[in-house]
Amino acid sequence: DQQVKQNSPSLSVQEGRISILNCDYTNSMFDYFLWYKKYPAEGPTFLISISSIKDKNEDGRFTVFLNKSAKHLSLHIVPSQPGDSAVYFCAASAPGAQKLVFGQGTRLTINP
Amino acid sequence: KAGVTQTPRYLIKTRGQQVTLSCSPISGHRSVSWYQQTPGQGLQFLFEYFSETQRNKGNFPGRFSGRQFSNSRSEMNVSTLELGDSALYLCASSFTGQRNTEAFFGQGTRLTVV
Repeated sequence: DQQVKQNSPSLSVQEGRISILNCDYTNSMFDYFLWYKKYPAEGPTFLISISSIKDKNEDGRFTVFLNKSAKHLSLHIVPSQPGDSAVYFCAASAPGAQKLVFGQGTRLTINP
Repeated sequence: KAGVTQTPRYLIKTRGQQVTLSCSPISGHRSVSWYQQTPGQGLQFLFEYFSETQRNKGNFPGRFSGRQFSNSRSEMNVSTLELGDSALYLCASSFTGQRNTEAFFGQGTRLTVV
């Protein structure tokens, strides 16, 4: 039962353009969402988060959008840079739960 | 400030054996969580410890266990290893383990069961 789904295993984007990574969830109890970035042979690193009381959160080139009615969130990276090439995981948590439920990840490749 | 340290980085074990993985959190962090990453499955939550107490547990069989010491270091044990236990095991530490505090991940231990 995959409660958090990233339906695109991979995405290729031209340098300088916008990268949009998508994530869907099924558990309506989730109210806190995060994006992590992972390079090979390294652990995931935190990128950006959003609480369900918001529908948008920005941090530099990274913006996360949350559509609660559709149970969908997306990560926008503008402009995309070669160093953004990595695997991106979205994660969600419910109130009172310290555990994160992760999606399967999307491999983003930025082409020069 | 040193990051999260996991040892060993790589491990090869035989079916039926047991294995212990170690995680040293960032100094001052009291929460340690463990995750299993397998191809196509993403990261799956194993358990979380805070101040030596297990607070949360994922849907893994009893062969997977853990503990946390008074210095916040944590160990994870898997008994009677199966081929399907081959995975990257990641631990993450945070100050309180609260959802809105950033969790820092270690580089992981790559376990191969043959």
